[in-house]
Amino acid sequence: RKEVEQDPGPFNVPEGATVAFNCTYSNSASQSFFWYRQDCRKEPKLLMSVYSSGNEDGRFTAQLNRASQYISLLIRDSKLSDSATYLCVVPRGRQLTFGSGTQLTVLP
Amino acid sequence: DTAVSQTPKYLVTQMGNDKSIKCEQNLGHDTMYWYKQDSKKFLKIMFSYNNKELIINETVPNRFSPKSPDKAHLNLHINSLELGDSAVYFCASSQKFPTPSSSYEQYFGPGTRLTVT
Repeated sequence: RKEVEQDPGPFNVPEGATVAFNCTYSNSASQSFFWYRQDCRKEPKLLMSVYSSGNEDGRFTAQLNRASQYISLLIRDSKLSDSATYLCVVPRGRQLTFGSGTQLTVLP
Repeated sequence: DTAVSQTPKYLVTQMGNDKSIKCEQNLGHDTMYWYKQDSKKFLKIMFSYNNKELIINETVPNRFSPKSPDKAHLNLHINSLELGDSAVYFCASSQKFPTPSSSYEQYFGPGTRLTVT
């Protein structure tokens, strides 16, 4: 299994749709996880941190399943402004390992 | 206002040249990083720098050398540039140096798009 593996995408969804991304990781010792968002030709920015079983912030919900070693990100009521690449990030020792990202396009 | 800044934003140069990228953070963070994002969008750590401790990623060629004049600055110097060095280089910082049991949010600069011809 790769250190961090994400859904390949791209995901093209209509406004208002609910979309979910999955991410699997190989390091069972990882304690905390992150979802970053990267807009086209911009820098990554933290979207959510996941420390226990999950975290919810408005329309965004991140869930963690330690037994199966995967993290998911759910976006409800998608907005055009949600179009971006979503990066799953897993700590490995003293470094962060970034997934290759899942591209989301929300269509009007 | 800018938390993490990089210069230049774009850099076009020929093979064999030597170039530097500068990074500054005004967040008062202890730790700074250099990442490389290639054409396939993989974001890979190159260096971590915590105060005076430099952590080198062994996969990085020794043509790349970071230099930190102080805690707020981390520059990247690249010797003898090669075509494969073309990528976007991101500087980032975090409040503290990560430990195996705790990680910190990383704040990224806007990136430097390096093109080697």
